[in-house]
This record gives sequence, structure tokens and C-alpha cells, in this order.
Amino acid sequence: GAVVSQHPSRVICKSGTSVKIECRSLDFQATTMFWYRQFPKQSLMLMATSNEGSKATYEQGVEKDKFLINHASLTLSTLTVTSAHPEDSSFYICSAPEPVNYGYTFGSGTRLTVV
Amino acid sequence: AQSVTQPDIHITVSEGASLELRCNYSYGATPYLFWYVQSPGQGLQLLLKYFSGDTLVQGIKGFEAEFKRSQSSFNLRKPSVHWSDAAEYFCAVGSGGGADGLTFGKGTHLIIQP
Repeated sequence: GAVVSQHPSRVICKSGTSVKIECRSLDFQATTMFWYRQFPKQSLMLMATSNEGSKATYEQGVEKDKFLINHASLTLSTLTVTSAHPEDSSFYICSAPEPVNYGYTFGSGTRLTVV
Repeated sequence: AQSVTQPDIHITVSEGASLELRCNYSYGATPYLFWYVQSPGQGLQLLLKYFSGDTLVQGIKGFEAEFKRSQSSFNLRKPSVHWSDAAEYFCAVGSGGGADGLTFGKGTHLIIQP
């Protein structure tokens, strides 16, 4: 089946630095990638949608200058958390529509801790 | 706007007992419905999905769900739970086709008693 590989699985960074999270579709071309954020013991909230070759669209309340999304190829989408602060600490998960059967495949998630 | 309600934040079930997790949705068009399971610190695993056809859907690990349009519900069931079923369960709704992301419920934390 369709697989999305997400890296890193865990990252700890200092406040004020930037962190990049990568999601790669391994055996299919992902023209669209969805990025979600999950705070502890809460649900997944859609942050943004990236489309290969065009600008990402962000959900209301998500700072586009803080969460930079790049979808430079059909197999790679990246999320960069810029000038990270402790309140950005969260679990970030990417997801791509599967090429068949109308499903979605999810990455394994990245646990970001900003200290 | 679409929404998903999972009214039970926590559910405790004895091992071997039956399980039903509730999910109600609000969606303006034909809903594509999903149930996912998440173990602590892990990503999401798809249990089952419904798009059309038979309203009783079979999934992995012995789970099933029934779509009831009149009740806007998509409840998840399992006849006999195992200790390994302890996890967080999320119901989600989407438009299908992959153009939009999913809207998730807040999740139900399942605890299995020995």
C-alpha cells in the first residue's frame, strides 16, 4: 500500500531556532500533502495543505510565516517551524491522499519539543 | 462547516467484553467516514472507512462500523476486545477524492480492564 515516510520522529530544539520536518511518499506520487498538529491528549487539527508546485493553503489561525511549507516535488513535502517557541511543542503529522480507494495515508508523526 | 463528535472521552471495558464507540458527524455533502487508532506517541492506523454501498463496514482487527445516515452516525464496534486494543480512537470525516483534509473528532481513550 501507499506509504508516507516522516522524519524525524522526535526532535528537541532551542527556542528561537528552526526545525524542518520531511514527509516523503515512497511508492506513489503525492501531489497533495496535508499537515496536522496534535497537542497532548487532543485531536488532530489540520494546519495546511500543500500542493506540488504551488503555494500552500493554511487553515484559519495558522501563521504561514511561522510554519513554512514547501512541496517541491511529487514525493517530498516539508514543514519548517521557524523561530520555534515552547508553545509550538506538539506532534506534527503529515498525510497524503492514497492514489486509489479514496483513503489517506499518514506519516508516523514528529514529536517536536522546544526548550 | 463539517464537524465530528465523539461524545465519550474515556471508555473502560473488560477484556473479552463487547465495545461500541460513538461517532456523530455533521457534513453538507456525502460524507467519507473513517476510524483510526493511535497508540501513544505513534501515528494513525486506519481501522476502516465508508464511502458508499453496504452500510456495515468490516475493518481490521475484528472491528466493524455501521453508517446510519438518518442518525448521522458511524459507530465503531467490536464483539470482544483484547488488551492490545487499548489506545486512542479517532473518527474522521472528509469529502473524498483527496482534495481536502479530514476533520477529526476529539478521540475516545479506550481502557481495557483485565
